[in-house]
Formats: sequence, C-alpha cells, structure tokens
Amino acid sequence: ETGVTQTPRHLVMGMTNKKSLKCEQHLGHNAMYWYKQSAKKPLELMFVYNFKEQTENNSVPSRFSPECPNSSHLFLHLHTLQPEDSALYLCASSTRTTHNEQFFGPGTRLTVL
Amino acid sequence: TQLLEQSPQFLSIQEGENLTVYCNSSSVFSSLQWYRQEPGEGPVLLVTVVTGGEVKKLKRLTFQFGDARKDSSLHITAAQPGDTGLYLCAGALTASKLTFGTGTRLQVTL
Repeated sequence: ETGVTQTPRHLVMGMTNKKSLKCEQHLGHNAMYWYKQSAKKPLELMFVYNFKEQTENNSVPSRFSPECPNSSHLFLHLHTLQPEDSALYLCASSTRTTHNEQFFGPGTRLTVL
Repeated sequence: TQLLEQSPQFLSIQEGENLTVYCNSSSVFSSLQWYRQEPGEGPVLLVTVVTGGEVKKLKRLTFQFGDARKDSSLHITAAQPGDTGLYLCAGALTASKLTFGTGTRLQVTL
C-alpha cells in the first residue's frame, strides 16, 4: 500500500465510449502525475499538476483530458480513444522536492476495442 | 527527448546467482532513482542516489551513481524469487519531472 489508490483497476471500452479514471493520494503531497505504460516503451509522462495547477502536458492528444479538483484527487477523462491507447495508466504523487521521488498507484489496465 | 537506456532488457537467473543491471544516458542528472514494479502493481521506489560516485546498499542490493552523474548500476547479490520484477531507473533533470529508463525485467527461479 503506497498511499495512492486508483479506480477502476481494469477497464474495457469501445472507441466511442466516454470513461474516467480516478486517482486519490493520502500522503499530503502537492504534485500529482499521470503516466502511460505500454509494452516495449519506457514509462511516458502525460500530465503534471502542482497545487491543482497543470504545469506539464507532454503533447498528449486531446482525447485525454485531465482534471485536478484538489491536491488529493486527479482524474483522467477519456473519449473517442483508439486501440493503440490500450495501456496501463499510472497515477503518482510527490512532494516536488529536488529529487521528485514518486509514489505510484497500482494503475488502471485499459483496453480499447 | 532524454533517453535512459537500461541493460539487459531481460534477465532470467536461478536463485543464489548475482546480477548487475545498468542504466546509461548522455545527460547529467541531479539525482537518479531506482524502482521495482511487480505484476499488477505500480513502481515502488527503492533508492535515490544524489552524489557522483555514491554507493548505497539496501540489504542484498547495491546501487552506484556514476562519477559524472550520467549512469548508474544496480547489483543484486544472491538473488531470490522475491526479487523478480521490472526494475526501472529514473533520472531527475528538473524538479518537475523524471525521465524513466527502458526497464529490465528480472526473473529469478528456484
């Protein structure tokens, strides 16, 4: 238990569906992140939020829409995804120290049909 | 895009053997972290190394940061099945993000 929870753990959706991923951290951290982990690719940073403000968008397609209502909660809204978006989506939090050590949730395994 | 190359990509060894995983880059990092990820879970931080040449030991795991802060290694002594997992290095270029390595998948069998 790392103090970061993600729901759902598994999600199967069609290309026309709209769904949302949820992340919650109980560590009192001020920064939250979304990462994408695909087979045969390094972990890819998608979005960074610091004190609820988005500070980084790593050229992510607009079919992924993040939302951070407060420092403890982070959402990733999904719509009109493509099969190549199938991956493990990981949420992480940190205190934004110099070393930026990340605490990850267990991830949501997403399959797009 | 800054790239951290890890080698080997895959490693299958028997219990009791020693192994070393390497993490190399052309970039200089302010610090470097190692994570282990087990199936169905997110990565878990093992260690952070900060100073060039630094060596840290965590039980049977020894981590080293290169003198120029561009590379790192992880050595495991007398591997156990519980060491099985995906090992990721991650370099901190700025306070806002990490660059993750390509990963090394380790399988330790009885």
